[in-house]
Amino acid sequence: QVQLQESGPGLVSPSQTLSLTCSVSGASITSGDYYWTWVRQSPGKGLEWIACFHYTGPTYYNPSLRSRAVISVDTSKRRFSLRLTSVTAADAALYYCGRHRISYYYVMDVWGRGTTVTVSS
Amino acid sequence: QSVLTQPPSVSAAPGQKVTVSCSGSSSNIGRNFVSWYQQFPGTAPKLLIVDNNKRPSGIPDRFSVSKSGTSATLAITGLQTEDEADYYCGAWDSVLTSWVFGGGTKLTVL
Repeated sequence: QVQLQESGPGLVSPSQTLSLTCSVSGASITSGDYYWTWVRQSPGKGLEWIACFHYTGPTYYNPSLRSRAVISVDTSKRRFSLRLTSVTAADAALYYCGRHRISYYYVMDVWGRGTTVTVSS
Repeated sequence: QSVLTQPPSVSAAPGQKVTVSCSGSSSNIGRNFVSWYQQFPGTAPKLLIVDNNKRPSGIPDRFSVSKSGTSATLAITGLQTEDEADYYCGAWDSVLTSWVFGGGTKLTVL
């Protein structure tokens, strides 16, 4: 069974860099069938897609976050990460990692449980 | 402002049918698959259905979708109280080269 587990600092100071990690079990990040992704949800708000990557290289970002977000992968450790620079209160959210399944209409078929990020000094 | 437009809320009585619309453009719904996600309070979203009516195992056929041009619609028949949730549409946008979600629709079963 595929499981994704997000982890992060919980609390980040304004203007600092947020770093999150998604640990993958039950599936291989190097499978060609998946794009691995980050999505966030501000309190009481809707879903906001952040970025995704394929292990062969293609990486895509939400245009509104492209200048501040970097997604990276450590295939040997079966995890991938998100770095978001210059955070503000608007970046406070529940961050989910997930995957898009290419062979199944590119749907997001697996989601982690999410990790909460608070932005405060 | 979401790229895909959904009504903030819909409601209907148990046993009735409700529809949730998702409006986009030629760069997303008009050319790519639309998928729908169900989210209960305090839980992660879950894949519900894809726009050719492909459902993951365990999703009842009370849930169906249709698409016309740049709009898609989720229909739920035989409403049950456990269907109360937030529903999101999503699709790849070929111009933005990013995934886009609708703003979400809160379903209330009266």
